[in-house]
Order: sequence, then C-alpha cells, then structure tokens
Amino acid sequence: NFVLTQPHSVSESPGKTATISCTRSSGSIASNYVQWYQQRPGSAPTTVIYEDHHRPSGVPDRFSGSVDSSSNSASLTISGLKTEDEADYYCQSYDSFTHEVVFGGGTKLTVL
Amino acid sequence: QVQLVQSGAEVKKPGASVKVSCKASGYTFINYHMYWVRQAPGQGLEWMGIINTREGYTTYAQKFLGRVTMTRDTSTSTVYMEVSSPRPDDTAVYYCARDINNRFDPWGQGTQVTVSS
Repeated sequence: NFVLTQPHSVSESPGKTATISCTRSSGSIASNYVQWYQQRPGSAPTTVIYEDHHRPSGVPDRFSGSVDSSSNSASLTISGLKTEDEADYYCQSYDSFTHEVVFGGGTKLTVL
Repeated sequence: QVQLVQSGAEVKKPGASVKVSCKASGYTFINYHMYWVRQAPGQGLEWMGIINTREGYTTYAQKFLGRVTMTRDTSTSTVYMEVSSPRPDDTAVYYCARDINNRFDPWGQGTQVTVSS
C-alpha cells in the first residue's frame, strides 16, 4: 500500500493563491488518477477536481489540479481566494495492486 | 438529479450491530458501484469498501474484513452497510458515495453512528 501525505494546514489571505500538495509514498503518482474533495464543516465532501485536473460543472475555474512526476505529487491550486473556500481538502487515489482506495490525511485551508 | 439519501442517526451499545441504509435516485442504480467511507470525530476520511450493485460482489478494506457487511436491494435502489459488534472507536459519520471510475460522486449526507455504553 502507498500513503498520500498532505500538509496539515495551509493559510492564505483573500485574493491570494493557495496550493495544497499530495505526495505519494511509493509507486508513481501518474499510475492512478488523483481526485480532490472539499469538505465544509458539518457537510459531506464534494468533488472539486477529478482525474488529476478536470473540474466538475459548477466548480469555479479558480480551482485547478496538476500532477508532477518529479516530486511524485499532485497539487490543488485555488486562486483568487474567497472566505467561502475555507474548508478541509482531501486528495484521493486508487491502489491498483490492493484494489483499495487511498485518501490523504486532509488539509485545513484557512482564508484570513 | 442524482441523490443519495441515508438513514438517520444511530446510538448503539458496544456489541449491538448497526445497519445504515443509502437510497439512490436519479440514475440507473445497477450501473454504478457504491462506496462506503467513514469519518471519526475530528479525523480524516477512511475508505471502508465497495459493493457491485448489479451482482452484489463486495471488496472490503483490510481493516474491516469480517466486521463489516455491505449488501444491496435492487428493487428499492438501496445499499446497506452493517457493522457487527461495534466498539466505541467505531463512532463516526458514515457516508455512502457513488463510484465513477474510482472517484466518489455524489456523496450521501452522512449518518452519525455513536457507540457508547
């Protein structure tokens, strides 16, 4: 099994850009798609990025995803930060060998 | 629209099994598998397993083998997740979520399960 490691917290000011990383411990990050979920307090998660960089309809283009093989990590970038972006963000991928889903530990984004 | 509606909160004593339901609507039920995920208080998301809604096959995370059972009823488009002999550390919000190519979309609203003596 591999582990997806995220920073515990990220803090940035409104209008600025925040980037959240998700590093895969073993195996190539490019082996399986990475998804990103936003979870506001008391609510279920919702998808903000799927298949590395695709945005579901209704998600603003301020949200973007990327994968970097050199660092074996995926990133979620949120530009033009708004207070409503304050939430927990989770990356997720799939282990083709164990057939198990893997979640990152989550990152608390604070916009202040 | 696609919707997953879960059953209400449960409070159980340790050892008394708990069963959570998830009713799907707005799409063809048997065309998509269903995941279960849980979230302990103040913690992250934990994948529990997946059920093939057409055939009923299941795959469980290693941690839950032998303790969790996932079933489905195609006549009512409902999936179920049962935890046998729950412990206090099974206290969590339990979510169902539809599988689309190994991603979760949408999610149910969540069901709070509290295990306490």
